[in-house]
Amino acid sequence: QVQLVESGGGVVQPGGSLRLSCVASGFTFTSYAIHWVRQAPGKGLEWVALLQSDGIDKCYADSVKGRFTLSRDISKNTLYLQMDSLRTEDTAVYYCAKDNRNYSPDYWGQGTLVTVSS
Amino acid sequence: QTVVTQEPSFSVSPGGTVTFTCGLTSGSVSTTYYPSWHQQTPGQPPRTLIYSTNIRSSGVPDRFSGSILGNKAALTITGAQADDESDYYCLLSVGSGIWVFGGGTKLTVL
Repeated sequence: QVQLVESGGGVVQPGGSLRLSCVASGFTFTSYAIHWVRQAPGKGLEWVALLQSDGIDKCYADSVKGRFTLSRDISKNTLYLQMDSLRTEDTAVYYCAKDNRNYSPDYWGQGTLVTVSS
Repeated sequence: QTVVTQEPSFSVSPGGTVTFTCGLTSGSVSTTYYPSWHQQTPGQPPRTLIYSTNIRSSGVPDRFSGSILGNKAALTITGAQADDESDYYCLLSVGSGIWVFGGGTKLTVL
């Protein structure tokens, strides 16, 4: 069955960096785009970024553009979200989600919490 | 900047029908935005209910339906049940590889 497992969250100081991982299983990793979505404590969902299935095309929300970078390791079925120049407003649970090729996520991971605080 | 609007909250009686909408502060939502709907209960990841306006995800009960109503996307729950009490988010593909969520609607079933 399709599974996505995020890891790498933790506490980091403002201006610091963190790399999140999303391990995918149960589907052909290179055939689907993967979304990253975040949710600040007590707030709604915010779309963050998308890595297309070709591994080349990447799109970012304005709020993270220039600070967050997507990459993947096909041999490990793993997608990465490198987060630099972190701000307190980046504090959130970060989810990765598989795209269904119909312009929507369909399977979601359980999320990993990132806390940016001094 | 694209802003997607949703009603902040709704309440419905068990067995009742409720319709949430998803609009844009500037412009109309059409099928070309591929609206999708996602349900979330506290402490859980989202669950995708509807995609491409009106296609139910696998395993989603047929009491959930999606449509375009006027200039907005809509999610209708027919015959609401207690465990439908959740937050509901719409998501729009706004072009150039960018997606935007609405602020979410909190549904109370009472």
